[in-house]
Amino acid sequence: DTAVSQTPKYLVTQMGNDKSIKCEQNLGHDTMYWYKQDSKKFLKIMFSYNNKELIINETVPNRFSPKSPDKAHLNLHINSLELGDSAVYFCASRQKFGGYHGYTFGSGTRLTVV
Amino acid sequence: AQTVTQSQPEMSVQEAETVTLSCTYDTSESDYYLFWYKQPPSRQMILVIRQEAYKQQNATENRFSVNFQKAAKSFSLKISDSQLGDAAMYFCAYRSPGGTGTASKLTFGTGTRLQVTL
Repeated sequence: DTAVSQTPKYLVTQMGNDKSIKCEQNLGHDTMYWYKQDSKKFLKIMFSYNNKELIINETVPNRFSPKSPDKAHLNLHINSLELGDSAVYFCASRQKFGGYHGYTFGSGTRLTVV
Repeated sequence: AQTVTQSQPEMSVQEAETVTLSCTYDTSESDYYLFWYKQPPSRQMILVIRQEAYKQQNATENRFSVNFQKAAKSFSLKISDSQLGDAAMYFCAYRSPGGTGTASKLTFGTGTRLQVTL
């Protein structure tokens, strides 16, 4: 029943490893996002896809690569993990047109790089 | 680029009292959306209230209301009859009107941690 689900909820990994975070939404929304929340709780947009097309690509190291196989899924792959990548990563989705343009957030993935 | 500023890193309120959280923003756009999100310790981002800039009337949702001052670019959140469950981080956020491309992103403030005491 969860509207936006992320897996895993927690991820602990060593420096240099490659990891993926998955996100799925069952709301029929057109647009999906990845946000990063750092240790000071600051939330910043990373990427956005609209119906499988990349529409936002903020200044993010190219070790981060989003992939959207269909409009209900947006995954985040991170290569060569660094200590500074430790953060909470939120997936969100939004209906592009009509309605209240509200965002629905997943519950976040806490990534810890050791 | 739009910026959102929350000048109060922490606030405290007694149960049943009223508290106001401040938010200011910088934009050259005339139409936009503003939001307040709540993030409790569970990490979930919960929408509290939203305001469309073209509406002069301040939004209200039960115990939550906003004071939207467009000329001053101010968007404060008032919580009345505070409850223990209101304790959380509160984020103010801005979105451009277009809703497409880069305009569809939310720009967040740095957050205000609200404590509710007995």
